[in-house]
Amino acid sequence: NAGVTQTPKFQVLKTGQSMTLQCAQDMNHEYMSWYRQDPGMGLRLIHYSVGAGITDQGEVPNGYNVSRSTTEDFPLRLLSAAPSQTSVYFCASSSDRTGPYEQYFGPGTRLTVT
Amino acid sequence: KNEVEQSPQNLTAQEGEFITINCSYSVGISALHWLQQHPGGGIVSLFMLSSGKKKHGRLIATINIQEKHSSLHITASHPRDSAVYICAVRRTASGSRLTFGEGTQLTVNP
Repeated sequence: NAGVTQTPKFQVLKTGQSMTLQCAQDMNHEYMSWYRQDPGMGLRLIHYSVGAGITDQGEVPNGYNVSRSTTEDFPLRLLSAAPSQTSVYFCASSSDRTGPYEQYFGPGTRLTVT
Repeated sequence: KNEVEQSPQNLTAQEGEFITINCSYSVGISALHWLQQHPGGGIVSLFMLSSGKKKHGRLIATINIQEKHSSLHITASHPRDSAVYICAVRRTASGSRLTFGEGTQLTVNP
């Protein structure tokens, strides 16, 4: 199993550009989440999904969209990038079928918005 | 005040020392997670606790639900233990969502 994969690893955007961060998992986990990590702050939840077709907002959803058309994929879209979105983004998945909610994290995407 | 507080924020130890990292939380929880973030950035799950104590190799995690406190201990620390250690709680009725502490940066010197 590849676990949780994220692409790209690094990205530089100009203010106003849009892009999609990709996340995929091959463990058939029902739960998937996107977090951002900023210096001096803990990981903060952007959006999460409890299954295909179901998504909901986390703590810091503004400026981001998600969709979950399949169990495997959970892309995060930045609609119009802003410097405040410069961060490291982590995707994670979990399941309560194989062991209650143990989180598996992707390797992260380091995004810089200039 | 954050719902999850870790102490210390930074910790420097000599190889072989016994290390304790603390986590206090102020909300009702169904489980607490300890995570390790390597210098390269990857995050791995170390423990998930809802009561008592768990041990894996040189790592021990304990939780006291009544006092809303958890500790992560590292015995016979080694430079390869240098990492950020993150406490996260799963609030009651929040499903799989976690609330994270800010992390403790541990540096173990040879």
